[in-house]
Amino acid sequence: DAGITQSPRHKVTETGTPVTLRCHQTENHRYMYWYRQDPGHGLRLIHYSYGVKDTDKGEVSDGYSVSRSKTEDFLLTLESATSSQTSVYFCAISDSRETEAFFGQGTRLTVV
Amino acid sequence: AQTVTQSQPEMSVQEAETVTLSCTYDTSENNYYLFWYKQPPSRQMILVIRQEAYKQQNATENRFSVNFQKAAKSFSLKISDSQLGDTAMYFCAFRGRNFNKFYFGSGTKLNVKP
Repeated sequence: DAGITQSPRHKVTETGTPVTLRCHQTENHRYMYWYRQDPGHGLRLIHYSYGVKDTDKGEVSDGYSVSRSKTEDFLLTLESATSSQTSVYFCAISDSRETEAFFGQGTRLTVV
Repeated sequence: AQTVTQSQPEMSVQEAETVTLSCTYDTSENNYYLFWYKQPPSRQMILVIRQEAYKQQNATENRFSVNFQKAAKSFSLKISDSQLGDTAMYFCAFRGRNFNKFYFGSGTKLNVKP
């Protein structure tokens, strides 16, 4: 299995608070992604990274920011959490030498 | 932007029978990759099968096979001899050759009945 760890696995937070989710990989893959999974929507891309300090927006990036200061770590920050951001968040990695994405275990975030 | 459509939100099949899950996609690219992922109740995303668009031959992995129709932009998954462990959400995904984003469909929930 690809070495991808997401933390925390579960989190409950209050509306208006900042939240940071962490994705750590041991595969030295170039590309890292953050997706959110909601019923009826599948997985939607929030942000992705194609190298250290190189990031770009996905289709649902409003209210989220990311940072990648090291190859192995990709952080997702909810600047001011809202109830609409209650979701399951997945980190994924991919390498240019391979074509599929490998996924972390997911983080269930509840904003109350 | 690329779009991936799975028109069957939920399907059921009897154990040992065959079921086909549908997926269509929209792209202007000529070279790309297509995938089927399985998500059991554990929430883990597991790659089932992948197809390179430049390959004519349909991909096969044991009981799983695809019917790839490039002109029709269709990529269906056939599961033969369905097993109880196949019960899961199945997602179709697209990755363009020149871009590194993965686009996913909304998923099909498959229930295998004993």
